[in-house]
Formats: sequence, C-alpha cells, structure tokens
Amino acid sequence: QKEVEQNSGPLSVPEGAIASLNCTYSDRGSQSFFWYRQYSGKSPELIMFIYSNGDKEDGRFTAQLNKASQYVSLLIRDSQPSDSATYLCAVKGPNTGGFKTIFGAGTRLFVKA
Amino acid sequence: EPEVTQTPSHQVTQMGQEVILRCVPISNHLYFYWYRQILGQKVEFLVSFYNNEISEKSEIFDDQFSVERPDGSNFTLKIRSTKLEDSAMYFCASTTGERNEKLFFGSGTQLSVL
Repeated sequence: QKEVEQNSGPLSVPEGAIASLNCTYSDRGSQSFFWYRQYSGKSPELIMFIYSNGDKEDGRFTAQLNKASQYVSLLIRDSQPSDSATYLCAVKGPNTGGFKTIFGAGTRLFVKA
Repeated sequence: EPEVTQTPSHQVTQMGQEVILRCVPISNHLYFYWYRQILGQKVEFLVSFYNNEISEKSEIFDDQFSVERPDGSNFTLKIRSTKLEDSAMYFCASTTGERNEKLFFGSGTQLSVL
C-alpha cells in the first residue's frame, strides 16, 4: 500500500481559476502534513503545512485536512502561470520514525495564460 | 533565510566507482536527511541522522550507502560502488526536529552514473 497517494495529473486550469489538488495517506498516526512545490530540476519548497482538522488559509492557498478520511487537499485561488509546477504532498508523524517525511509522487499543475 | 549547501551540483562517475556527496546543514539543526529523486519519479527517503547516528533508513539504503558527519558542519553520503540505477538527484535536508517544521532542502546534487 502506497503511503502517500496523489493523482499525477497533469491538472490544467486557466489563469485566474481555482486549482484543487488532493492527497490521501495510509498511516493513521501521521501528525503533520505539508504541501511543497517543486519546479523542474529544483528542490522542493514549502507552500503550507497543516496539522489540525479543518482549513488553513495563507494568501491564495488553502490547505484542508480531514484525519478521519486520511485526506489532505490544497486549493490555489486565482491561479497564475507561475504556479505551474509539481505539487508534492508530504506527511510526517511518530509512526514514520526519526521525524522522517514521506512524499507523494506529486501532481503536475499547468496554468494556462 | 539560512540555507543548506550541497556540493557538487553535478557529479559524473563511472559504474563501480565510489562517490561522496557533500552537504553543510544549517548550523543549529539537529536532524539530517538524504533523499533522492530519480528523473520523473517521487522524492524518496534514504536516511535520517541524529546525534551522530542513523535514526532510520529505507530499503534503498543498503550496504553500498553510508553517511557520516566527519566534523561539526559537514554531512556526507557515500556510495561505495555506483550502479547505473543510482543516477538521480540527491537532496540533503535538515531540521531542528520540531514537529511541524518543514524540511530545509539543499539545491541537490545531480549524479550521473555511466
């Protein structure tokens, strides 16, 4: 069973639209959830983290967490062409040991101008 | 923002050769990690290191791999006898260990095994 699952995409949205990215995880003991953005050939950079059920907003980004469903999502409002990248869902928790962070395979997002 | 530094940015080696990838984590960080990413694939955990010892390693991290913190600043990944399938981008990362803290990644070393 894959530990962190994401739809690989590509997800294509027009400029100004809302992009919705989803992720499920298998370890019910997971405690912290992260969304990273990765441009081709670059290292991942943090977009947001969330650890409580519900929504967390930061500018154009909203992360949503539902621990009962083991589901995390990221909404990007007013999508811009510069948002085109691969978005990585990542999970950390006591059961992963050593504070290890596990990544999903990523969803490629294309924002069309 | 403080940075994790990795050298070299690119490394080309012949199959069977040993390579050492170098990293300088952020100075007050306590946990160090190596991840790898094969082209087009996911970021995969290799090993975590804390208090001068390995705290966890993945199935990928077999006897061909080793890590070391030879002094107070450097953190190295050694691959003893490289294989073609070791070709990947290798990322070093560090954290202070707080629960909700992000991984601070270096810019990566692109390893090509010929």
